[in-house]
Amino acid sequence: EPEVTQTPSHQVTQMGQEVILRCVPISNHLYFYWYRQILGQKVEFLVSFYNNEISEKSEIFDDQFSVERPDGSNFTLKIRSTKLEDSAMYFCASSEWGAGEQFFGPGTRLTVL
Amino acid sequence: QQQVKQSPQSLIVQKGGISIINCAYENTAFDYFPWYQQFPGKGPALLIAIRPDVSEKKEGRFTISFNKSAKQFSLHIMDSQPGDSATYFCAATDAGNNRKLIWGLGTSLAVNP
Repeated sequence: EPEVTQTPSHQVTQMGQEVILRCVPISNHLYFYWYRQILGQKVEFLVSFYNNEISEKSEIFDDQFSVERPDGSNFTLKIRSTKLEDSAMYFCASSEWGAGEQFFGPGTRLTVL
Repeated sequence: QQQVKQSPQSLIVQKGGISIINCAYENTAFDYFPWYQQFPGKGPALLIAIRPDVSEKKEGRFTISFNKSAKQFSLHIMDSQPGDSATYFCAATDAGNNRKLIWGLGTSLAVNP
């Protein structure tokens, strides 16, 4: 069964460092999403991406964040200068069409020290 | 208006019992209401979803009840099993191609054998 994969599973970084979280969406999916879940809190939408551009972004997704689909398979989330409060579980999701079911990856746990 | 309120925060049920988790929303533009199941260390997985044109949807032991006028929906797990022990999230999204999910806070369900 096709699935969304994410790497790394756990990333530890120092405050101020750049991190890139990687996702491989399901191959025939066209819509891509990043969400994050701070420990003990609810899942929050960060950004949606379609047709090689951002469709929508939340207020969390400020200038420190960027997304990219560098090739036909990967979808990345970059945090330019990490802050302590960026520590969270980051989930990538993809869907075949805009209103379709979103399939989630296993997440990357980001720890900022 | 974008919030989805979920209760209870945690739930303990005996094996064979019924688990009931409730959610409420305010945004009348929401038109898709999925429930996600999340096991520790895994990403959320779609369990069952409903659209507001029906009042109930059943899939196996899982049923969503939907009350459009009250802007409430609930998940019922019949004959709860220890394997159902997980965190359950309700979510909502509005019409449109971006389909960002607005999440409830989650309910940690423990089913005792």
